Amino acid sequence: GQNIDQPTEMTATEGAIVQINCTYQTSGFNGLFWYQQHAGEAPTFLSYNVLDGLEEKGRFSSFLSRSKGYSYLLLKELQMKDSASYLCAVMDSNYQLIWGAGTKLIIKP
Amino acid sequence: GAVVSQHPSRVICKSGTSVKIECRSLDFQATTMFWYRQFPKQSLMLMATSNEGSKATYEQGVEKDKFLINHASLTLSTLTVTSAHPEDSSFYICSARGGTSQETQYFGPGTRLLVL
Repeated sequence: GQNIDQPTEMTATEGAIVQINCTYQTSGFNGLFWYQQHAGEAPTFLSYNVLDGLEEKGRFSSFLSRSKGYSYLLLKELQMKDSASYLCAVMDSNYQLIWGAGTKLIIKP
Repeated sequence: GAVVSQHPSRVICKSGTSVKIECRSLDFQATTMFWYRQFPKQSLMLMATSNEGSKATYEQGVEKDKFLINHASLTLSTLTVTSAHPEDSSFYICSARGGTSQETQYFGPGTRLLVL
């Protein structure tokens, strides 16, 4: 079967760095996405990785290792507004998105 | 770019009535649109995938006669919840794929449906 695993909840301190991991087992791979979802709102696109390596976009970076079926989202200089759920999703061989359950990130002052 | 709108943002209706939700891609042509449902504190659940001009593909367990999807143009898809019941109360979110990034799904702001 297809499976996306990510931690249910993480806590970090304002100004610090946090890494949210995602491991996947899917039938085929056409890219991995990270989305941010604030409570009561729809997801917003953060990043897309299809090749191995690190993609940096401001305070957020996303890493992919296809051989390990592994990705992480790195958030630097955490701000209170970064408190949200972070969703990992993998596009399989049929170009369907397989969603993780999301990681709820709590930022403390 | 890649803006998706949804209307209405919030709707309250009586049990047994039908509700139509519109999803529009504002600045790109969406070859594929997706409809999701999300219950409180739960994951996104894909309901159906629609391609312009063809019938939607529904996920297992989603009643196609209850959740009618029409993708009439490259910028508009509609979801009609027919004969709504309280258990249909949920957060309905559409997403669209197309434009310069053929892989990325961009989400609308969602529609919160409450059936009394």
